[in-house]
Amino acid sequence: GQNIDQPTEMTATEGAIVQINCTYQTSGFNGLFWYQQHAGEAPTFLSYNVLDGLEEKGRFSSFLSRSKGYSYLLLKELQMKDSASYLCAVRDGGAAGNKLTFGGGTRVLVKP
Amino acid sequence: EPEVTQTPSHQVTQMGQEVILRCVPISNHLYFYWYRQILGQKVEFLVSFYNNEISEKSEIFDDQFSVERPDGSNFTLKIRSTKLEDSAMYFCASSVDTQHEKLFFGSGTQLSVL
Repeated sequence: GQNIDQPTEMTATEGAIVQINCTYQTSGFNGLFWYQQHAGEAPTFLSYNVLDGLEEKGRFSSFLSRSKGYSYLLLKELQMKDSASYLCAVRDGGAAGNKLTFGGGTRVLVKP
Repeated sequence: EPEVTQTPSHQVTQMGQEVILRCVPISNHLYFYWYRQILGQKVEFLVSFYNNEISEKSEIFDDQFSVERPDGSNFTLKIRSTKLEDSAMYFCASSVDTQHEKLFFGSGTQLSVL
């Protein structure tokens, strides 16, 4: 089975840093994705990790440890527009298709 | 930037009716998907489609659901006899291939079954 855990909600101040953790136990693994989802909108891609280590992309960074089944998304210099849900998703490496299993999402509230 | 488009944005239907949700994936993409999200819950995989056939489907995707690519651009999800619990946001997505490629999601169709 697939199990992906992330905190339900986090609050941070504008300009600060927030780290969203994700742990997973899945029957297969072929990459971990982070998506941002504003309320009522579609998920939009933020980052992808398939090898251990840190991937940096502007204000957003994502880390993966496959041996620990662990990832985090780091958001720096928080802006009000970063208030959204952040979804951790694992691709299970099936032979065809790109099936993603999503966690429940972490709602981040950025306060002034 | 190219995008996945979905119509309609909202669909209200009576229980037991058939609905068809429509999607136009990004033109050079080869893999197509449907996901759904019940209000307040996680995004759930329904089905993936490649080379004119289903490549994988979830337990949710029972015989009440079907997908079709009727022409070179559209990708549809049909629910034959809707149930109250089918009420959700349905997202279409596409990707170029399956290796190291992100999914592009459409803006979704909010389906309400009354």
